[in-house]
Amino acid sequence: GQSLEQPSEVTAVEGAIVQINCTYQTSGFYGLSWYQQHDGGAPTFLSYNALDGLEETGRFSSFLSRSDSYGYLLLQELQMKDSASYFCAVGQNFVFGPGTRLSVLP
Amino acid sequence: DTGVSQDPRHKITKRGQNVTFRCDPISEHNRLYWYRQTLGQGPEFLTYFQNEAQLEKSRLLSDRFSAERPKGSFSTLEIQRTEQGDSAMYLCASSSGTPRGYTFGSGTRLTVV
Repeated sequence: GQSLEQPSEVTAVEGAIVQINCTYQTSGFYGLSWYQQHDGGAPTFLSYNALDGLEETGRFSSFLSRSDSYGYLLLQELQMKDSASYFCAVGQNFVFGPGTRLSVLP
Repeated sequence: DTGVSQDPRHKITKRGQNVTFRCDPISEHNRLYWYRQTLGQGPEFLTYFQNEAQLEKSRLLSDRFSAERPKGSFSTLEIQRTEQGDSAMYLCASSSGTPRGYTFGSGTRLTVV
């Protein structure tokens, strides 16, 4: 089977840096993906790691360590609009984690 | 192409009634997925199509749920004899086969009263 763990909530202030961790257990690994979802909206793709290391996309970066079954999403220069839920996902048909609700304070 | 479209956006139904939702994927995407999401949880995989073939179904998907993708384009998800526990957001996603191209629709919110 597959399971993922994420912190349930994270709070930070505008301009700060925040890291959202994800640990996973999976029988077959097809990469670790990250999605953002605003309240009432659809999940939108942020980042994908198939190999160990850091992937950078603008203010967002994602890291993967396959040996540790661990990854994180790093959000820099936080903005109010980054307040949302963030999900990690693994597997061919995407088993999603429970999500981390990020609140960005002024 | 305007992305993945789902219809209706909201559906309120009485317990025991049947409901059907529609998903129109991005036209060049051959893979289509259905998920269910309840408040405060991540999307939960229901089923997956590659073209018109239904290749995988979650063990969580009861016999009351059925999905089709008759011509490999749009898909429908039907729930028979709805129960209050079926109340959730039903999300559709499509993909060309790479994780970077996984696009979700806005979902159909089902409320069973």
